[in-house]
Amino acid sequence: AQSVTQPDIHITVSEGASLELRCNYSYGATPYLFWYVQSPGQGLQLLLKYFSGDTLVQGIKGFEAEFKRSQSSFNLRKPSVHWSDAAEYFCAVALRRNTPLVFGKGTRLSVIA
Amino acid sequence: DGGITQSPKYLFRKEGQNVTLSCEQNLNHDAMYWYRQDPGQGLRLIYYSQIVNDFQKGDIAEGYSVSREKKESFPLTVTSAQKNPTAFYLCASSIRYRGSGHQPQHFGDGTRLSIL
Repeated sequence: AQSVTQPDIHITVSEGASLELRCNYSYGATPYLFWYVQSPGQGLQLLLKYFSGDTLVQGIKGFEAEFKRSQSSFNLRKPSVHWSDAAEYFCAVALRRNTPLVFGKGTRLSVIA
Repeated sequence: DGGITQSPKYLFRKEGQNVTLSCEQNLNHDAMYWYRQDPGQGLRLIYYSQIVNDFQKGDIAEGYSVSREKKESFPLTVTSAQKNPTAFYLCASSIRYRGSGHQPQHFGDGTRLSIL
């Protein structure tokens, strides 16, 4: 079945450490790919998106993501995490233009001093 | 500022009661969406609408109804047929993109619905 998988339910990192959040999809074609962030009790904010072209995309708040077709992955990275990055992160895909997004179940990020 | 407004922020429902969640956007977006969020479940699509007076069921439409009489508004009714309505409900909107690519969705701040 077509799906979006975020293998890590909860990750804890130290402030200043690097971060990688994993996302895998199981669609035959390359979908449109997105990462969103959600603070508690809030809506979702778009971090970055990938449609085509350069497989390393830059987003807001110092985040980047790399698309790897061979691994069907779109992992989110940040070189140095700040305490304000603590939130829930969602990977999402759309198979075709103008279709609803399919979301992974999210990864909750905790940041410790 | 343009954005999506969901109201109320908190809503309580009695058993057997229908309740309506409001979603208004002033972004001039064509498409609107309703998602349900439960802990550890991510976001699941309830209904979506690409144009006025038209909408489609998502993955978990049972027990919910919507209308799209105006471009700016996409209210969601949680009916008494929805047996487990306690959740966080998110509304989103996006442009219908006419070129290549896919426009991202913009989200409201959500409505938390609880059962009394």
